[in-house]
Parts: sequence; structure tokens; C-alpha cells
Amino acid sequence: NAGVMQNPRHLVRRRGQEARLRCSPMKGHSHVYWYRQLPEEGLKFMVYLQKENIIDESGMPKERFSAEFPKEGPSILRIQQVVRGDSAAYFCASSPMDRNPFFGQGTRLTVV
Amino acid sequence: AQTVTQSQPEMSVQEAETVTLSCTYDTSESDYYLFWYKQPPSRQMILVIRQEAYKQQNATENRFSVNFQKAAKSFSLKISDSQLGDAAMYFCAYRSLPSGGSEKLVFGKGTKLTVNP
Repeated sequence: NAGVMQNPRHLVRRRGQEARLRCSPMKGHSHVYWYRQLPEEGLKFMVYLQKENIIDESGMPKERFSAEFPKEGPSILRIQQVVRGDSAAYFCASSPMDRNPFFGQGTRLTVV
Repeated sequence: AQTVTQSQPEMSVQEAETVTLSCTYDTSESDYYLFWYKQPPSRQMILVIRQEAYKQQNATENRFSVNFQKAAKSFSLKISDSQLGDAAMYFCAYRSLPSGGSEKLVFGKGTKLTVNP
């Protein structure tokens, strides 16, 4: 059973471009979470999804950020018109219901 | 909203010695989960230990144990017989029960642990 797979591991975008971060949860996991980690900081919750549903998006910026977890395929975190302040490590975690979440290795986004 | 505070940005310990990392939290909920995660330079978040608030017994995983003081809202991590591989960032985290709200984790800012040979 492969762990939580995130790709790409590193992503470089120019200001104004779009960034797409992918997360494949562990087999059998129906809950996906996205977190952002700024340098020298802890992880900050962004969004919690179940298949085809957004359950809690209280940590998502109101503009430019969106997330989905379709019935088939990976979860996608999409950032439109990236700015320098979006540079961070983005982590995905997955879990079955009411169990410990398992984290992926993260995607480091650099905006130049 | 829940908050988690780690008051020690950095700690160091000699190999084979014991070190304790501090964590306090704030919540109005009576039942919840607490976690310690380890983040080595690879960035992988690794679960070290988990504690259910309704359990009075402190959780233990091999060389890792916690001192959970519910009334004081304190959740410290003790690492015994420290090894070089324990060097990492350690994050304390809080999570509500599913019925109590979102299942998101609330993290502290972390403590960087250095292990000296």
C-alpha cells in the first residue's frame, strides 16, 4: 500500500502563472486535507475534502485558491495568478474516517 | 478557536540523554486528540505519538512518551535515550473529535531538536 503521493515535489512558477498540486491519497482513504507550511512555521490548515465534497475550507484564501477531490483521480490544489507570497511547502494528508492522517512529502512551490 | 503553543523554538540534547519538549494548548472542548509529529530535513511529517483526551493514561511509543495534564492543558513529549536520528523539527498538534467539528489538525510552530554526539 503506497503512501500518500504528492507531485510534483518541486514546482517553480513565475508570478501570474497557475500552480496545480496533486495528491493521491492512500488506498481506502476517503478524507483529504491540504496544509501550507511557510518557512520557519508550523503547518496551517487550508481545506478538508471528502470525495466530491468540500467539508471545511475555512483556511483557504478567498481568492485564487481552489481545491477538488473528484470521484476518480487525485485531489488537486489549484492556485491561480501566483504571487511571491504563495511560495511555501504544501502538504496533503489522507485518512479513513476518524483515524490518524498520513502525510505526503509535500510540494515545494517557488514563485519567481 | 483552538490554539497550540510551543514555547521552545530550539532544544539540544546529548546522545543517549533525555529531553522534554513542551506544548500547551487552548480549547473549550472536553474531548479531543493530541499529537506529536516529527519533521526531519526530508520534510516528511511522521506521526510520533497520539493521545486521546478521555484517556488518563499517558501514551507511550518505545522511547517516546508524553506527560498529558488535561487541567493544565499541557502535553509535553519526552524522548529517552536520544539518538542522532531523532534530530528534527517536532510539532505538537490538536484535533477535534469528528462530532465536535472539523477534523483538521491545529499545529504549533515547532521545536527544532538537535542531538549532539
